[in-house]
This record gives sequence, structure tokens and C-alpha cells, in this order.
Amino acid sequence: DAGVIQSPRHEVTEMGQEVTLRCKPISGHNSLFWYRQTMMRGLELLIYFNNNVPIDDSGMPEDRFSAKMPNASFSTLKIQPSEPRDSAVYFCASSLSPRDRVPPEQYFGPGTRLTVT
Amino acid sequence: QQQVKQSPQSLIVQKGGISIINCAYENTAFDYFPWYQQFPGKGPALLIAIRPDVSEKKEGRFTISFNKSAKQFSLHIMDSQPGDSATYFCAAVKGAQKLVFGQGTRLTINP
Repeated sequence: DAGVIQSPRHEVTEMGQEVTLRCKPISGHNSLFWYRQTMMRGLELLIYFNNNVPIDDSGMPEDRFSAKMPNASFSTLKIQPSEPRDSAVYFCASSLSPRDRVPPEQYFGPGTRLTVT
Repeated sequence: QQQVKQSPQSLIVQKGGISIINCAYENTAFDYFPWYQQFPGKGPALLIAIRPDVSEKKEGRFTISFNKSAKQFSLHIMDSQPGDSATYFCAAVKGAQKLVFGQGTRLTINP
């Protein structure tokens, strides 16, 4: 399996531009997570989906951020308009619904490093 | 209530030594405590995890010690190797899905 695939790996854009980050989860996984990582705030969960439905978006910083999962194999995180403070590494992770009592392992993608100038 | 506090922020250990990273939590509803390892340019990967009904879990050179009454848990890396140099995150989970991460510890093992 190729693991979680994210694109692009690096994105440099100017303030005010729209940015779209893409994620392909591991085939067969039914939960998908978007995280943001910065030096100041560490790893933050932005939103997660289960069976393509958003379950918890309480971590989405503001209305400029939106996420979609149109099918089980694709998700996008969009920032419009982007601001310099959005500069971070954005990770997508996927997992399979828990079996027994053990929470499922989340498999992280390689991340997208976003720089907004 | 959702916060997980991790220390130290950075740690330097000599090869062969023991690396110890500590975490503390407030929310007693957390029921699963994983540790993730992250190498530069990569996403975090699950290293080892523990439930609060046991006090210790060991996998190879990696051990989690868990103190439920103190609401603390720690990662011990025995015989630390240069290949262990990475950033380590503790985390806590309430229920099935939502991970709450500590701030991370950058570990450097000197040869």
C-alpha cells in the first residue's frame, strides 16, 4: 500500500490567494483527519470525517478554512483567503474504525508545507 | 481539560543512555495513551501505546510507564541510538478517534 498521499508537498502562495490541499487516504480506511503543525502550537486537529461525513470541525480556526470529503478516497482542505499566519505543515491521516476496545491507529501522510507570504 | 502537557521540549542523550520524556493530562476521561515518533520531513507514526488499566508496557527498547493517580505517563528509551533521534509526541484519546497531542520533544542522541 502507498500509504496516505498528500499533494502538493510544498506550496508557496501570496496572502489573499486560495490554497487547496489534497489527501488520498489509505484504501479501506473510513476515517480521515486533517492536522496542522506549527512550532508555536504543535499538532492541532482541525477536522475529522467518518464515512465521508464531518464529525468534528471544532478545530477549524475560522471561516476561511473549509474541508470536504466527496468520496472515500479523496479529501480537500481549502483556505480562502490565505494569510501569513496560516503558514504551517498540514497533515492528513486516516484510520479504520476501531475493533474491540482499541482505538484505531492513525496513519499520517508526509504533510504539505504551506508558506504564505 | 483537553490539554496534554509534555516535557522536556528538547533532550540530548549520549548513545547507550536512557531517554525519558514525560507527559501529564487533566481529563480523566482519556482512555488510551499513544506515543508517536516523527522524523524530519515525515508525518508522525505510532510507536507504542498504553491503556490506563496497566502501569507499564514494554516493546523492545521502548517502555511506557503510567501513573493513573498522578495522571502522568512517560516514555523510556533504553540503550538510546542515533537512529532514535526524532521528535516524540505523547497523546491522549477519549473514545475512539480524537487524539490530543502534547507539544513534542526533540530528542537528539549523540554518537
